Amino acid sequence: GESVGLHLPTLSVQEGDNSIINCAYSNSASDYFIWYKQESGKGPQFIIDIRSNMDKRQGQRVTVLLNKTVKHLSLQIAATQPGDSAVYFCADFTGGFKTIFGAGTRLFVKA
Amino acid sequence: KAGVTQTPRYLIKTRGQQVTLSCSPISGHRSVSWYQQTPGQGLQFLFEYFSETQRNKGNFPGRFSGRQFSNSRSEMNVSTLELGDSALYLCASSGDGQNEKLFFGSGTQLSVL
Repeated sequence: GESVGLHLPTLSVQEGDNSIINCAYSNSASDYFIWYKQESGKGPQFIIDIRSNMDKRQGQRVTVLLNKTVKHLSLQIAATQPGDSAVYFCADFTGGFKTIFGAGTRLFVKA
Repeated sequence: KAGVTQTPRYLIKTRGQQVTLSCSPISGHRSVSWYQQTPGQGLQFLFEYFSETQRNKGNFPGRFSGRQFSNSRSEMNVSTLELGDSALYLCASSGDGQNEKLFFGSGTQLSVL
């Protein structure tokens, strides 16, 4: 079946460094991906999305890269701050409401 | 614009009881979907409602049901609660649920004792 997975369950980075969170997907027909951030006690918040006609998209301090050849995407956070500490999910949104979510990577930012 | 509102934030129930959770979507959004989030299984899709109709359903038993009202507000019901139903239940809304990203509420944390 379809799946979306993240390579690491936790990631620890120093404040000010760049963070890279990886995600793999299995459905070669998938064409729309979203990254969500979930802080403790809150629901997931939209960070950035990317469609398959792009291989890179930038937001404020975040960049998503999509490699369709190996079915892999990554979220890069520049100059990571303590407020970035959260769980990050990649989601295959190709199916709309039946979005397939990855298990999540917990990002720890060390001061 | 107000976000997705879920009530209550916390619930404690005992096995065998039933529970009803409520979700108010973002104004103008017609699609409401529900997810169960647990540490072991992550986010799992329960069902989605659009214009008062259940449009799609995930792989959960019939004890899990829902409905949507004419104002797009939605409720989710779980009957005959089991210990394994303890989870964070998240509601998400979108304009049409097909091509628009989901906006999540803060969830209802359900504990079944």
